[in-house]
Amino acid sequence: DTGVSQNPRHKITKRGQNVTFRCDPISEHNRLYWYRQTLGQGPEFLTYFQNEAQLEKSRLLSDRFSAERPKGSFSTLEIQRTEQGDSAMYLCASSWRDEKLFFGSGTQLSVL
Amino acid sequence: AQSVTQPDIHITVSEGASLELRCNYSYGATPYLFWYVQSPGQGLQLLLKYFSGDTLVQGIKGFEAEFKRSQSSFNLRKPSVHWSDAAEYFCAVGGLTGGGNKLTFGTGTQLKVEL
Repeated sequence: DTGVSQNPRHKITKRGQNVTFRCDPISEHNRLYWYRQTLGQGPEFLTYFQNEAQLEKSRLLSDRFSAERPKGSFSTLEIQRTEQGDSAMYLCASSWRDEKLFFGSGTQLSVL
Repeated sequence: AQSVTQPDIHITVSEGASLELRCNYSYGATPYLFWYVQSPGQGLQLLLKYFSGDTLVQGIKGFEAEFKRSQSSFNLRKPSVHWSDAAEYFCAVGGLTGGGNKLTFGTGTQLKVEL
């Protein structure tokens, strides 16, 4: 069990650029979640997958955001045409069904 | 809509003193309740959770929490704080949707421990 891995740890980009983050969950976990955390706030739910199926998306997730989990393994979160308001820590987490949720260390995005 | 309130943004306690972090929730049905801890550069770690049954829940690192339905509260307690407990603590509520781990978090309480 190597834990939930997220890459990159930090990403600095210019407004209007596209960025993609990767999450590798714990291998036997069938559920994968994306959360976003801004300074001084708790994490906010964005979306989740059960295996390869994206089952729910938050209204926070605008059309510029897209997430995939091909083959039910790793997941990517892409943000197109980034805005300064997208600056946040993006957290990935995984679980086996409703069991304990394990979080990665996150990807810190800064949009200049 | 579900929500979580953590009224204390910052708390400072002396090492060895007792600790209570407050959490109030709003949820339409029977909630799943969680406490997570976040240290700088670390991922969120689950301390304990309440789904049903005994309203006093024991967690890791000597923490416990008590579910009080009448007060819509789920306060976290520790009888004797250690310097290593300094971190940010988040209360969260979930339910049957989102696979049970679709959580709504509070804004967190930053704990400082004085030696």
